[in-house]
Amino acid sequence: EDKVVQSPLSLVVHEGDTVTLNCSYEVTNFRSLLWYKQEKKAPTFLFMLTSSGIEKKSGRLSSILDKKELFSILNITATQTGDSAIYLCAVSSGGSNYKLTFGKGTLLTVNP
Amino acid sequence: GEEVAQTPKHLVRGEGQKAKLYCAPIKGHSYVFWYQQVLKNEFKFLISFQNENVFDETGMPKERFSAKCLPNSPCSLEIQATKLEDSAVYFCASSQLGGLAGARDTQYFGPGTRLTVL
Repeated sequence: EDKVVQSPLSLVVHEGDTVTLNCSYEVTNFRSLLWYKQEKKAPTFLFMLTSSGIEKKSGRLSSILDKKELFSILNITATQTGDSAIYLCAVSSGGSNYKLTFGKGTLLTVNP
Repeated sequence: GEEVAQTPKHLVRGEGQKAKLYCAPIKGHSYVFWYQQVLKNEFKFLISFQNENVFDETGMPKERFSAKCLPNSPCSLEIQATKLEDSAVYFCASSQLGGLAGARDTQYFGPGTRLTVL
């Protein structure tokens, strides 16, 4: 059975701190790994990673995938209170099914 | 539209009643996915469609749950004879058929329908 494990499950930091969120996976026929940010409603798409070692970057957020070690990290630098959310890691696998297997998420709280 | 739309936002049903949830994918997207999130836990995949055809239904409970995507209509997820354990947020997501490599893997989510079964 496909498995995605995120750590830590929760994290509390102060504004300005840098955080690293982890995601490891065990899936058959890996296709891609996706990061989402979930606040009150819809998970919003952040990154999709398919190739090892290539960093994706968007403002203060960046992510990288290691397909050999089967994990990904999401970095957030100079955190702001608006970064407070659940960060979800999901893996698309299983040939051409395209369904996503999600981790439990990391609840990030950024205090002023 | 430019976003996945889901209705209603909230739905309250007594045990044994029917519940029907709707999803309009992003215009031009060919794939629709339904996920169930119980108590902020993991998203559980239910079913996916490619246009009006069932693509993958391996996550659908065999009984009581059904889903459709008909041409020119929102997709729907229906639960017959709801049970307490069906209480969850049901998310719909859509993705493109064509486009850049990996486009089919990038799913865009709607705001969800919160179903409460009393």
